[in-house]
Amino acid sequence: AQKVTQAQTEISVVEKEDVTLDCVYETRDTTYYLFWYKQPPSGELVFLIRRNSFDEQNEISGRYSWNFQKSTSSFNFTITASQVVDSAVYFCALSEYLSGTYKYIFGTGTRLKVLA
Amino acid sequence: EPEVTQTPSHQVTQMGQEVILRCVPISNHLYFYWYRQILGQKVEFLVSFYNNEISEKSEIFDDQFSVERPDGSNFTLKIRSTKLEDSAMYFCASRTRPYTGELFFGEGSRLTVL
Repeated sequence: AQKVTQAQTEISVVEKEDVTLDCVYETRDTTYYLFWYKQPPSGELVFLIRRNSFDEQNEISGRYSWNFQKSTSSFNFTITASQVVDSAVYFCALSEYLSGTYKYIFGTGTRLKVLA
Repeated sequence: EPEVTQTPSHQVTQMGQEVILRCVPISNHLYFYWYRQILGQKVEFLVSFYNNEISEKSEIFDDQFSVERPDGSNFTLKIRSTKLEDSAMYFCASRTRPYTGELFFGEGSRLTVL
C-alpha cells in the first residue's frame, strides 16, 4: 500500500500566484513524522520542514506555509506569491517506526513550474 | 553549517564494473542511509545503517550492493557488477539522535552505466 501519495504530478503557475501542493499519507502509528523536501534543478534534496503527529499547528515560514490535518491524513504545502526560483520537485515524506527501525518513505514528488 | 558530502559527483562506468560511492555524514550523526533516484522518478530507499550494521534494506538492495563504514567517518556504497538499470542518482543521508531528526542529504552521486 502506498504510504505517501502526491497526486499532483506537475503543476504550472504564473509568477506571483499562490500554489498548494497536496500530500496524503497512510500510517498505523500514533507517533510519526512528516517532512517536505525540495529538489531544485541542480538535484540536491533540501529539507524544508518536519512535523510530528502530535503537533497539528499550522506553520508559516516566509512565503511557505504548511497545513497538517490528521483527520484527513494530509500535510499540504502552500507557496504564496510564487517565484521562478520556487521551480523544483517537491517531495513529501513520512517517517514511522516499522520492524524495529525508523523508515523514511517518500512520495513520488510534485514538479512545480513557475513561469515568469 | 555541517553537511553531508558525497564523492564522486558523477561517475561513468561500463556495465559489469565495480563502483564505490563515498559519503561523509555529518560528524555527530549516527544513522546513515542510501537512497536512489532514477532520473525523474521517486526517491527510493536502499539501506539504513546504524552501529556498524545494516538495520534495514529494501528489495532493491540485493547481493550486488554492500555498505561499509571503514574508518568511522566515511560511509560507502559498493555495487559489485553494475547493470544498465543501476544508472541513477544515489543520495547519502544521515540523521542524529533522538529519533525526531530529519534526514540530511548529500548532493548526490550520479552514476551512469554504459
